[in-house]
Amino acid sequence: TQTVSQSDAHVTVFEGDSVELRCNYSYGGSIYLSWYIQHHGHGLQFLLKYYSGNPVVQGVNGFEAEFSKSDSSFHLRKASVHWSDSAVYFCAVSQSSNNRIFFGDGTQLVVKP
Amino acid sequence: EAAVTQSPRSKVAVTGGKVTLSCHQTNNHDYMYWYRQDTGHGLRLIHYSYVADSTEKGDIPDGYKASRPSQENFSLILELASLSQTAVYFCASSDRVQDTQYFGPGTRLLVL
Repeated sequence: TQTVSQSDAHVTVFEGDSVELRCNYSYGGSIYLSWYIQHHGHGLQFLLKYYSGNPVVQGVNGFEAEFSKSDSSFHLRKASVHWSDSAVYFCAVSQSSNNRIFFGDGTQLVVKP
Repeated sequence: EAAVTQSPRSKVAVTGGKVTLSCHQTNNHDYMYWYRQDTGHGLRLIHYSYVADSTEKGDIPDGYKASRPSQENFSLILELASLSQTAVYFCASSDRVQDTQYFGPGTRLLVL
């Protein structure tokens, strides 16, 4: 069974700060890792995805994430956040061998002016 | 652009009543999913489907049925709605399970 752990339920930063949202997973095999964003009252929207190759992947709006096999992590980062980045961020893991995708519980990011 | 629509966007139902939530996608995707989101929590998979006329159970299927009459349409049915089924329900579609999922706007269900 795969698990996805987002250790921080809430993160608060100021506009212009850098931020890292953490995601750890447990699975030993071929996996796909993704991040999604959910603004209040809306559905989830895709940010970025990693399967293979360069462990640092770029997404929309200046977000990037880094895969680490040794740490079983896929942390999301942004160098300088904007107030509009306030949202809930979900990490997701899926396997190529079955029909399932697993979401973490999400991290609420609050960006203060 | 990928499009997933849900209807209704919100609904108030009575305990014991039947509720049907509908989802329509114009992405030509094989996979469709129904998730439940409770306040302050992540998504939990209820049912999914990878081909028309076939559905699969997710992590929390009890109390829910699903129907996939065509590639474009996927319904979630609550035969006997209960208070505990008050939540926001999201539909999503993807080409394959490991591909990007495209989500609908959600249906807010309140069971009284």
